[in-house]
Amino acid sequence: ETGVTQTPRHLVMGMTNKKSLKCEQHLGHNAMYWYKQSAKKPLELMFVYSLEERVENNSVPSRFSPECPNSSHLFLHLHTLQPEDSALYLCASSQRGGQGDTQYFGPGTRLTVL
Amino acid sequence: QQQVKQSPQSLIVQKGGISIINCAYENTAFDYFPWYQQFPGKGPALLIAIRPDVSEKKEGRFTISFNKSAKQFSLHIMDSQPGDSATYFCAASSVGNQFYFGTGTSLTVIP
Repeated sequence: ETGVTQTPRHLVMGMTNKKSLKCEQHLGHNAMYWYKQSAKKPLELMFVYSLEERVENNSVPSRFSPECPNSSHLFLHLHTLQPEDSALYLCASSQRGGQGDTQYFGPGTRLTVL
Repeated sequence: QQQVKQSPQSLIVQKGGISIINCAYENTAFDYFPWYQQFPGKGPALLIAIRPDVSEKKEGRFTISFNKSAKQFSLHIMDSQPGDSATYFCAASSVGNQFYFGTGTSLTVIP
């Protein structure tokens, strides 16, 4: 496995379900990110973890709950979502503090909330 | 307030032509300007990036032009190919801080 992987690639859930998105990075980076990508909108940063501690939380509703058990894994726990939460959820990683702090993205999870 | 404004939203170019995508920013603290390329079903991938100490950076057919005084930067794709058809995002950040992305440009290169 190389780069940043995400599972599942597609998820359909009802508003009362609980599910989790998983991200794994194989790049030895020290920071991981969750983004939401909706059509015709800029990528929206949701959460940032640096050295396994949450450093940013951009006013994301509490129905999204991140977890970073170690520097290689990142989860996004979902519960009681709304149809407007349907989007592509992207995970990224970077070596924070380095030159340019380039972010490397996974393929995303396409989430549909019914 | 959108930190990075990108245009056009979509672009159609003939094979062999030049594709130009523009971005503008407000925050003068930004010092890193990457461009990402995203194919359907894939995450964005870094294409090319520039810092404000240079006005131009070229990698193969891809060139970033940077105008610090105007707070604008653009991506030029020379000799555009059908395989370049994708969505392109500009972004801006300062070291250690979050990225701000543009809204994306959907490029279609017609054979």
